[in-house]
Amino acid sequence: QSALTQPASVSGSPGQSITISCTGTSGDVGGYDYVSWYQHHPGKAHKVIIYEVSNRPSGVSNRFSGSKSGNTASLTISGLQAGDEADYYCSSYTTDSYTSSSSWVFGGGTKLTVL
Amino acid sequence: EVQLVESGGGLVKPGGSLRLACAGSGFTFTNAWMSWVRQPPGKGLEWLGLIKSKTDGETTDYAAPVKGRFTISRDDSKNTLYLQMNNLKTEDTALYYCTTMAGGGCYDWGQGTLVTVSS
Repeated sequence: QSALTQPASVSGSPGQSITISCTGTSGDVGGYDYVSWYQHHPGKAHKVIIYEVSNRPSGVSNRFSGSKSGNTASLTISGLQAGDEADYYCSSYTTDSYTSSSSWVFGGGTKLTVL
Repeated sequence: EVQLVESGGGLVKPGGSLRLACAGSGFTFTNAWMSWVRQPPGKGLEWLGLIKSKTDGETTDYAAPVKGRFTISRDDSKNTLYLQMNNLKTEDTALYYCTTMAGGGCYDWGQGTLVTVSS
């Protein structure tokens, strides 16, 4: 499976909103409502911030929201804060094209800079 | 608080083997589906495989690049997940993470253990 496509970097000023896209195919993002988003600060464990396209785990700020249209999922962060500066990854459920077994595919990651 | 702590990484020669372990705490390990994910230096994340809970058959699924070389297992009595890696290649050099599986994807993550395959 090919990786999902994310922009390498995005930036925004404090208080602004930004959106990170995650483009796949009908075999992954477009075919299943199992898209997750992860936040990663260097030296820390990855943190799931969105699961099943638009659900937030308990304790995750409602400034983070997820959506999907066709083969593209999106993560929107509103009211940007300095602490949001991190790497963000998307992932999607898929089925392995060779074995038809369950598989997951990730995006290449997006570095968010808060100006 | 969920904690996942990977261990067992290190330097290994091409063709060699290595077994990684992941100790879980703060959740009911017995009921959890678990997976391994890796990140080569300067590259993106790659899902490697998962193991279901015993009640769900303890079956495994693997990504095509590692199927037949990597084996995932678990010891619920020790709350520990394993990744046995055989016939290692230089392209297996990466930071290896264990994760719980929930909400349709990877959920809780460890901080990773580094595997370097080099002669």
